[in-house]
Amino acid sequence: EIVMTQSPATLSVSPGERATLSCRASQSVNSNLAWYHQKPGQAPRLLIYRASTRVTGIPARFSGSGSGTEFILTISSLQSEDFAVYYCQQYNNWPYTFGQGTKLEIK
Amino acid sequence: EVQLLESGGGLVQPGGSLRLSCAASGFTFSNYAMSWVRQAPGKGLEWVSRISSSNISTYYADSVKGRFTISRNNSKNTLYLQMNSLRAEDTAMYYCATTSGGGLADSWGQGTLVTVSS
Repeated sequence: EIVMTQSPATLSVSPGERATLSCRASQSVNSNLAWYHQKPGQAPRLLIYRASTRVTGIPARFSGSGSGTEFILTISSLQSEDFAVYYCQQYNNWPYTFGQGTKLEIK
Repeated sequence: EVQLLESGGGLVQPGGSLRLSCAASGFTFSNYAMSWVRQAPGKGLEWVSRISSSNISTYYADSVKGRFTISRNNSKNTLYLQMNSLRAEDTAMYYCATTSGGGLADSWGQGTLVTVSS
């Protein structure tokens, strides 16, 4: 099973600033990496797939990069609605696995 | 608009069984693979099972293999998860999700809560 490790566990950022979230895979997942966010009491929502492709309707302030084992999600100018828990997920091999999440909180 | 509505959760004793359902609408159900993803209280996400659009292929996490069975009825636009020999560690919110692009959960229901406790 591929283990996904996210860092940091919690990130405190002020609105309008940039946030950078990291995700590492225990072995190569090529570019088969997705990012989701989840707000309290809600289901997760898919943001980015294939490491860097935004889902239709996701704002351009969200960008993803990386391949192989190292991935980054950047949110360029945080809005109030962006504060949530973010998960990366690999779909290169079954079982598909998620990272443990990064909680993005308001500073 | 894609809509997924889970049902069937509840309180069950260890060793018991439950059958979850997910009613789909707003899209051509038979064209999509489907999955169940769970989240224990206050914890992260675990992909439990996946089924192909045609009902031919199924996949299970090791943690549920041999105890859970995923199935679907394309004529009823409904996904199922039969859960047997339930354990305390199966306590979680269970979400159904459309699955595309080889392994993306691109639309999610609101979930149904399963609690395994005596």
